[in-house]
Amino acid sequence: DIQMTQSPSSLSASVGDRVTITCRASQSISRNLNWYQQRPGKAPKLLIYAASDLQSGVPPSFSGSGSGTEFTLTISSLQPEDFATYSCQQSYSTPITFGQGTRLDIK
Amino acid sequence: QVQLQESGPGLVKPSGTLSLTCVVSGASISSSNWWSWVRQPPGRGLEWIGEIYHSGNTNYNPSLKSRVTISIDQSNNQFSLKVTSVTAADTAVYYCALCSGGACYFWGQGTLVTVSS
Repeated sequence: DIQMTQSPSSLSASVGDRVTITCRASQSISRNLNWYQQRPGKAPKLLIYAASDLQSGVPPSFSGSGSGTEFTLTISSLQPEDFATYSCQQSYSTPITFGQGTRLDIK
Repeated sequence: QVQLQESGPGLVKPSGTLSLTCVVSGASISSSNWWSWVRQPPGRGLEWIGEIYHSGNTNYNPSLKSRVTISIDQSNNQFSLKVTSVTAADTAVYYCALCSGGACYFWGQGTLVTVSS
């Protein structure tokens, strides 16, 4: 199985801050990497697919980059509704695997 | 608007079988998408269970493969999950999802299944 490791596991930031979350794969997954946002008690929401493509309806403050084994999710200016948990997911091979999640809290 | 809705018992006894159904609206289950199940134990990360294509082709997580069956019901536009021989470790929120190209674009709201006597 391909292991996905996110860092940091948790992060405190303020409204207006720029934040970056990193996801590393245990082997190369090309650009088969997706990012999800999950608010408490809610289903995951797709933000970014294929490493850098913004899902329809997602604010342009979100961006993704990377290929191979290292990927990043960047939020350019945090809004109150952005405080949530973010997870990466590889879709290069089955079993599909997710990172453990990064919890983003208000400082 | 695509919507998915999970349904099934919220409580299952240990060693029993967990059975869930996902009803799909706004999209045909016969379309070229993979229909997936993902679960999330309380306070933990997401775990992919498996997926099914409209042809009936399936992929399962090897960690669960011996206990999991995913099936599709095209006449009712729904798909289902069965997990046998459940233990407390199977307690989780179970989500169904529509995935394409590996990314899951639409999700059900999730249903909590607790394994307890």
